[in-house]
Amino acid sequence: DIQMTQSPSSLSASVGDRVTITCRASQTISNYLNWYQQKPGKAPKLLISLTSSLQNGAPSRFSGSGSGTEFTLTIGSLQPEDFATYYCQQSHRTPWTFGQGTKVDLK
Amino acid sequence: QITLKESGPTLVKPTQTLTLTCTFSGFSLSSSGVGVGWIRQPPGKALEWLALIYWDDDKRYSPSLKSRLTITKDTSKNQVVLTMTNMDPVDTATYYCASHVVAVDYWGQGTLVTVSS
Repeated sequence: DIQMTQSPSSLSASVGDRVTITCRASQTISNYLNWYQQKPGKAPKLLISLTSSLQNGAPSRFSGSGSGTEFTLTIGSLQPEDFATYYCQQSHRTPWTFGQGTKVDLK
Repeated sequence: QITLKESGPTLVKPTQTLTLTCTFSGFSLSSSGVGVGWIRQPPGKALEWLALIYWDDDKRYSPSLKSRLTITKDTSKNQVVLTMTNMDPVDTATYYCASHVVAVDYWGQGTLVTVSS
């Protein structure tokens, strides 16, 4: 299995802050890296696919970058509705493994 | 509009077999490149990918659970069924079905399955 490691596991930030979450793969996954946002009691929602492709309806303050084994999700200016848990996932090879999640909460 | 919905028991006993059905609309599982799969999330924990079935009946499983899982599809009914044998309390989780194309594109609302005697 390809192992996905996110850092940090949690972070505290304020509205307006720039936030960066890192995801590392245990082997190269080309650009097959996706990001999901999950709010409490809700299903995850696809935010960014294939490293940097923002999904329809996702705010432009979200962006993704990287390649190979190291990837980042950046929230340009954190908004109140962005407090959630974020997961990375590789779709390069089955099983499609997820990172352990990064919880973003209010400082 | 793409929707998926999970159905099945909310409570199963240890050693029993769990059968979950995913009923979807808004896309076809006979379209090239399309898959439907299952992901679970124990309370307070991370997401775990379980299984996936593609439009051409190719099936993929999590290696750690492969011996316990079976995934099937009924294209005419727009349904995908997951069975998991020998259920244990550690299998207590919310189980999601979801469409898979380049990512896990669309998710069902999830169904909480509790394993307890």
